[in-house]
This record gives sequence, structure tokens and C-alpha cells, in this order.
Amino acid sequence: GQQVMQIPQYQHVQEGEDFTTYCNSSTTLSNIQWYKQRPGGHPVFLIQLVKSGEVKKQKRLTFQFGEAKKNSSLHITATQTTDVGTYFCAGRVYGQNFVFGPGTRLSVLP
Amino acid sequence: KAGVTQTPRYLIKTRGQQVTLSCSPISGHRSVSWYQQTPGQGLQFLFEYFSETQRNKGNFPGRFSGRQFSNSRSEMNVSTLELGDSALYLCASSPDPSDRTDTQYFGPGTRLTVL
Repeated sequence: GQQVMQIPQYQHVQEGEDFTTYCNSSTTLSNIQWYKQRPGGHPVFLIQLVKSGEVKKQKRLTFQFGEAKKNSSLHITATQTTDVGTYFCAGRVYGQNFVFGPGTRLSVLP
Repeated sequence: KAGVTQTPRYLIKTRGQQVTLSCSPISGHRSVSWYQQTPGQGLQFLFEYFSETQRNKGNFPGRFSGRQFSNSRSEMNVSTLELGDSALYLCASSPDPSDRTDTQYFGPGTRLTVL
């Protein structure tokens, strides 16, 4: 079945440094979504990417969807302590359920 | 609009018992999905319901079941609980899975502990 992998599993950065997490699917996706989960919280939707090669920005966050629609990345510029949490990608093949990656846990040291 | 609500928020059960969890989606949302979250396995998909019909089912044993009512509220049931069922059970609602904007809005979850 469909598998979604994410790297790295953990990332510790100094405040102000950049951060990137990568997501790879074993199958071509119809869309991919990114979520953030704060410690003790629930996943919160960040963005959805649908088109091949799509790039979207939200302030310091940049999301990319690969040309083959099998991989994606999330890049945070100049991390802040409020960025702490686990970032999940979730890929969907049309008509099937979302499959979540294992997540990347980000720690930001002040 | 009120967010996704889940009840109860916390549950403690013993092995062999059964449990029913409830989820009320955002008003107007017709799709509800359930996930199990554990530290070791991450977010695992359980089921997806749309207009009272199960659209997709994850790879869980038959002890896990669910349903959706005409008002879009959903319940999931776990029978003959095992220690490994201890997890955070998350419900997510979305407007319409056939829409290209199938954003999932998660509820706070039900923390189930099986002793």
C-alpha cells in the first residue's frame, strides 16, 4: 500500500536558523497537505498543494510539491520558538484516504 | 463556527472492555475521518465516512468499527480492548472529500488508556 516517509525524524535548531523537512511518497499523489501539531495539541492544517511543481508561501514558511507529485518539502526561514512542534505531511491518492508521514519534530533553542 | 468536538476527552478502560467515542464535525461538514495516534506508529488512518457511508477503511482489526449519522456526527467503537489500543483517537472533519479543497480539521482527540 501507499507509504509516506519523512526526514529528518528530529531537528534541533538555534532560533534564527532555517529548517527543512522532506516528505516522500511511494506513489504519485493527487494532493499533499501539511499539518503542525504542538506538544499536547492536535494537528492543525497548514496548506494543501495540488499541482505538479507548485510552490506556496506563508510568511516564513515555503512549501513545495515535486514535479512528479511524489515528494514535498516544508522550509521555515529564521525559525522562532513559536515554530516548535511536529510537522506532518499527508498524501492522498484521489478516492483513497490520506496517509500521514511519521512527522518531523522541531525543537528551537532560544 | 464551532470546531470539531470529541467526547469524552479522556477514558480509562480495562482489557476486554469496549468503548465508544463520539465526534461532532464542524457544522456543514459531511466527511469525518478517524485516526489513531501513538508515539510509535504516528497517525494511522482508521475510517472515513461521508453521508453515512464508509468510504475508506484502514488496516485495523474488526474490533474497530464506526458509523456516521444523518447529522454527520460520527462514533467509533472498539470492542475487546487490548493494551495496545491505548492511544489518542483523533477525529477530523472536512466539507466534502470530492472537493479539491479537502482540508481536514482535527478535533482535540480522546485519550484512551487501557489498563
